[in-house]
Amino acid sequence: AQSVTQLGSHVSVSEGALVLLRCNYSSSVPPYLFWYVQYPNQGLQLLLKYTSAATLVKGINGFEAEFKKSETSFHLTKPSAHMSDAAEYFCAVTVNSGGYQKVTFGTGTKLQVIP
Amino acid sequence: ETGVTQTPRHLVMGMTNKKSLKCEQHLGHNAMYWYKQSAKKPLELMFVYSLEERVENNSVPSRFSPECPNSSHLFLHLHTLQPEDSALYLCASSQSGGGSGANVLTFGAGSRLTVL
Repeated sequence: AQSVTQLGSHVSVSEGALVLLRCNYSSSVPPYLFWYVQYPNQGLQLLLKYTSAATLVKGINGFEAEFKKSETSFHLTKPSAHMSDAAEYFCAVTVNSGGYQKVTFGTGTKLQVIP
Repeated sequence: ETGVTQTPRHLVMGMTNKKSLKCEQHLGHNAMYWYKQSAKKPLELMFVYSLEERVENNSVPSRFSPECPNSSHLFLHLHTLQPEDSALYLCASSQSGGGSGANVLTFGAGSRLTVL
């Protein structure tokens, strides 16, 4: 079984400040981990993914995440928040299941960026 | 068109109506998914089709009926819904097998359903 826990359903940061969104996972096998972003009235869009090649993963829009096995964490960071980063962010874990993705999503964290 | 397209984007229906949601993907993927997104709840996987065969049905009520006529199209037929079925319904697709694109879901923009 696999699961993810996102700490904090709402996070507020000032424009230009560090963004840190927390995600912890649970998986009985080596996981694939993802961060997706959802802008208002849109579907989810992939930000970045971890597939065991490198523990520090860089994504789009300046975001990155670090896989820490010892802490079972995959936190999302961005050095300097921009107004356009305001959105909802979802951490997800998946394992292959016979040719399709059995993805488990977290409950999401809404990021507010204050000017 | 590219990506995953969902229609309609908004749908309002009564409890006795019958309607359908449509999803089309132009990515050559071989798996398609329906997810339900409700406020303050994690995304719920409803159905998965892999190579046009239904491989997941996560205890979804029978008032939701999926159909996958080919690898590019996915439908969700709706009948006698309840107000608690009001939600954003997201379609996604993926490509199984190896490669850098594997294991990634590509989502449509969703169909916002309101049941009166």
